[in-house]
Amino acid sequence: QTVVTQEPSLTVSPGGTVTLTCASSTGAVTSGYYPNWFQQKPGQAPRALIYSTINRHSWTPARFSGSLLGGKAALTLSRVQPEDEADYYCLLYYGATRVFGGGTKLTVL
Amino acid sequence: QLEESGGGLVQPGGSLRLSCAASGFTFSSYAMNWVRQAPGKGLEWLSYISSSSNIIYYADSVKGRFTISRNNARNALYLQMNRLRAEDTAVYFCARETTPVLDMDVWGKGTTVTVSS
Repeated sequence: QTVVTQEPSLTVSPGGTVTLTCASSTGAVTSGYYPNWFQQKPGQAPRALIYSTINRHSWTPARFSGSLLGGKAALTLSRVQPEDEADYYCLLYYGATRVFGGGTKLTVL
Repeated sequence: QLEESGGGLVQPGGSLRLSCAASGFTFSSYAMNWVRQAPGKGLEWLSYISSSSNIIYYADSVKGRFTISRNNARNALYLQMNRLRAEDTAVYFCARETTPVLDMDVWGKGTTVTVSS
């Protein structure tokens, strides 16, 4: 069974920078896994942020960026705002299946 | 936009059919997914259906119990859930998938399924 692993929790100060990562139990994450990133706030549906590793949606602030880093997919938040406090999920595509990471709870403090 | 419906309280072993109504885009051009979230837990992908229904995938956790389908003429996606278990209790979301970039870009607000006696 494929497992996708994210940091359970991270804390960042307002105005700071933080990087969330997404690792695959099958090995290095590549662009061929089409990494997606989602933000979810309490009581809301997930909101798509990044697709195909690096591509922002029209509604995604420019301070959110996606990349590959050390064999993992990564989401970097720059100039963090209080409203960025949320749960963040990555999604990897494995051909016939899709697997979400366990999520990272980001605290802005 | 996507709007799920059909959730509710069902006894273990029972069945439920979820619906997802699409509007504002050409539904027949997009693949669709079902995703769920158990209380206090993360997201779990359940099932995928291609735009023309010729390709269907399931997660192991629901294979053989859940059936995904769609009606492009009605702009609707469905999830038939049989032999429900307590661990199926969750909020169920439908999500649009844009190909070939594999982008799960539009989500509904979800519908809640509670499996309990």
